[in-house]
Amino acid sequence: QVQLVESGGGVVQPGGSLRLSCAASGFTFRSHGMHWVRQAPGKGLEWVAFIRYDESDDYYADSVRGRFTISRDNSKNTLFLQMSSLRPEDTAVYYCARAGLHFYMDVWGKGATVSVSS
Amino acid sequence: SFELTQPPSVSVSPGQTATITCSGNELGDKFASWYQHKPGQSPVMVIYEDSRRPSGIPERFSGSNSGNTATLTISGTQALDEAAYYCQAWDSNTAVFGGGTRLTVL
Repeated sequence: QVQLVESGGGVVQPGGSLRLSCAASGFTFRSHGMHWVRQAPGKGLEWVAFIRYDESDDYYADSVRGRFTISRDNSKNTLFLQMSSLRPEDTAVYYCARAGLHFYMDVWGKGATVSVSS
Repeated sequence: SFELTQPPSVSVSPGQTATITCSGNELGDKFASWYQHKPGQSPVMVIYEDSRRPSGIPERFSGSNSGNTATLTISGTQALDEAAYYCQAWDSNTAVFGGGTRLTVL
């Protein structure tokens, strides 16, 4: 079945770095764009980043541009989010999601928790 | 920047129709999608491309989008529909979510 599984979450100090991974299975990963979306405690959903199926383009929310980098390895069916210069406000559950034709998110992972605290 | 506005909460009695709105400048010119999010679970897409239902989503979920407003309608609302609902659209290489609407079934 179609599945996305995030990993790499944890606790990190402000200013630190962390890399999230998202392993995809059950569909042709290399044919789909992918998103990262997060939810801070008590807050709503916030889009973080998007990458096209062939890595030809990537886009970021203003809140993370210049600090986060989205990438993918189509040979390993894996999506990544490299997070640097982390701030307490980056604390959230991070979801990877498969993108549909018009950038909707039709399949979601279970999420990885990132906590930025000293 | 493009913004989407939703009412913070909507209440409905079981069996009645729930209507959740999402407002944004010329939203009708874009594709809107809707997501159901229950505590401790992953979000689930319930409507995409304004009015299309993914396989496995009950027929009681429907959507429309025109002018500045997209609407999610849940007919014959059930207790298990209680959740937060988010609208989303793509604008200027950015995905935008509405602030979310907490649907209470009471």
